[in-house]
Amino acid sequence: GENVEQHPSTLSVQEGDSAVIKCTYSDSASNYFPWYKQELGKRPQLIIDIRSNVGEKKDQRIAVTLNKTAKHFSLHITETQPEDSAVYFCAASRGYGGSQGNLIFGKGTKLSVKP
Amino acid sequence: IAGITQAPTSQILAAGRRMTLRCTQDMRHNAMYWYRQDLGLGLRLIHYSNTAGTTGKGEVPDGYSVSRANTDDFPLTLASAVPSQTSVYFCASSEQGWNNEQFFGPGTRLTVL
Repeated sequence: GENVEQHPSTLSVQEGDSAVIKCTYSDSASNYFPWYKQELGKRPQLIIDIRSNVGEKKDQRIAVTLNKTAKHFSLHITETQPEDSAVYFCAASRGYGGSQGNLIFGKGTKLSVKP
Repeated sequence: IAGITQAPTSQILAAGRRMTLRCTQDMRHNAMYWYRQDLGLGLRLIHYSNTAGTTGKGEVPDGYSVSRANTDDFPLTLASAVPSQTSVYFCASSEQGWNNEQFFGPGTRLTVL
């Protein structure tokens, strides 16, 4: 089955700097890669996702890149702000095949943005 | 109701007791999911339902059961709770299938003593 590795587990940056979180996946059939943000004590919420037919997607200060050959994808946050502090989860899914289509999550990255 | 709700918010349960966690959505989403979240382990899928009347097992289904009698409700039952089931449980829903945004409920914090 799919396995998703996420690095780093913790990341501390100064306000205004960029933050990069990387994930690798094992199932070459995976074609959907979302990123979720979870603030302390809150529910996870989707912030951006990418499908395998594109290599990059951007939404204001957030971008995701996908390298299907290397089976890795990354989240880039520019001009970080204190409200970006949260735990970020990557995930991967092949989208079909019953339970084999499960969305598999990485273990999360705790991002701290220091003012 | 707006979105997806869960009940109770938190619960302390004696080992061996039966417990049902409730989840209701009003978005008419076909697919619903139950995850558990443990520190350092991320979100792990317990059970899922692609449409009313069908359910499937996720990564960690042992000790849990689900039913999907209608579109809106997806209860999770612990038949005989054990301390290792202490966790935060999130219900989620999506329009259909795995390749769509999942909307999460607020979570239930369960402690089994």
